[in-house]
Amino acid sequence: QMQLQESGPGLVKPSETLSLTCSVTGGSISSPSYYWDWIRQPPGKGLEWIGSIHYSGNTYYNASLKSRLTISVDTSKNQVSLSLTSVAAADTALYYCARRGVAAGWVDPWGQGTLVIVSS
Amino acid sequence: DIQMTQSPSSVSASVGDRVTITCRASQGISRWLAWYQQKPGKAPKLLIYTASTLQGGVPSRFSGSGSGTDFTLTISSLQPEDFATYYCQQANSFPITFGQGTRLEIK
Repeated sequence: QMQLQESGPGLVKPSETLSLTCSVTGGSISSPSYYWDWIRQPPGKGLEWIGSIHYSGNTYYNASLKSRLTISVDTSKNQVSLSLTSVAAADTALYYCARRGVAAGWVDPWGQGTLVIVSS
Repeated sequence: DIQMTQSPSSVSASVGDRVTITCRASQGISRWLAWYQQKPGKAPKLLIYTASTLQGGVPSRFSGSGSGTDFTLTISSLQPEDFATYYCQQANSFPITFGQGTRLEIK
C-alpha cells in the first residue's frame, strides 16, 4: 500500500524559504499515470492546491504562488520536494503531499501532513 | 479558475438522519467531481469520484449525484463516525479547486 510522508522544518522565519520533502513508499514515483501534488490547509480553514509535478519533470503551479514556488522530483530517491521563498504568516499551514491521477484528477492517497508555522 | 461553492457551511444532525450536502461549480465540469471526508487531525480521505463512484471501502450509505454545475453528497443514515468536514473538488481543469467545506456536527 502506497504511503506518503512529508518532512521538513516546522518553524520558518518570515522572508525565509520553506522547504519540504515528500517520501513515497509502496510504489514508484515514476509512474506516468500520476501527478504528485502539494496541497495546504491553513489552521481551521479549507484546502488550497499549491502545485503538481509529473515524474517527467513537468510542473503546474498555483498562479498565486508561482513566483515563489519550485516543485522538484528525485526519481532515484522516490521523493518530491517543495520550496517556497519569501514566506509570510499567511503561509502558515498544514502542508500535504498527495498523489493525483493524470487522467482522473482525484487526490488519493494523501500524506499525513506537516505543520509549518511562519514566525520570528 | 473554477470556483466551487458548498452549502451549507455547517449542519447539525443526529445519528440515523439523512443529510445532503450541495456543491456548485462556477462553470460546467461534466462529472469531474470528487468528495472527501476529513476528520480532525487527519488528512482528507477520498470518498467519491466521477460524481457518483464510491471509492473502495466506503460504506454504501454514502452516495453522490450530479453533473454539469450542481452536485450532491448524501449520507443516508448518519453513523457516529460520519461526523467530520466534507469537501468537494473539481478535476475538470487546472488548477484543481476545492469547496470551502461543510462541517457535519452532532445535534
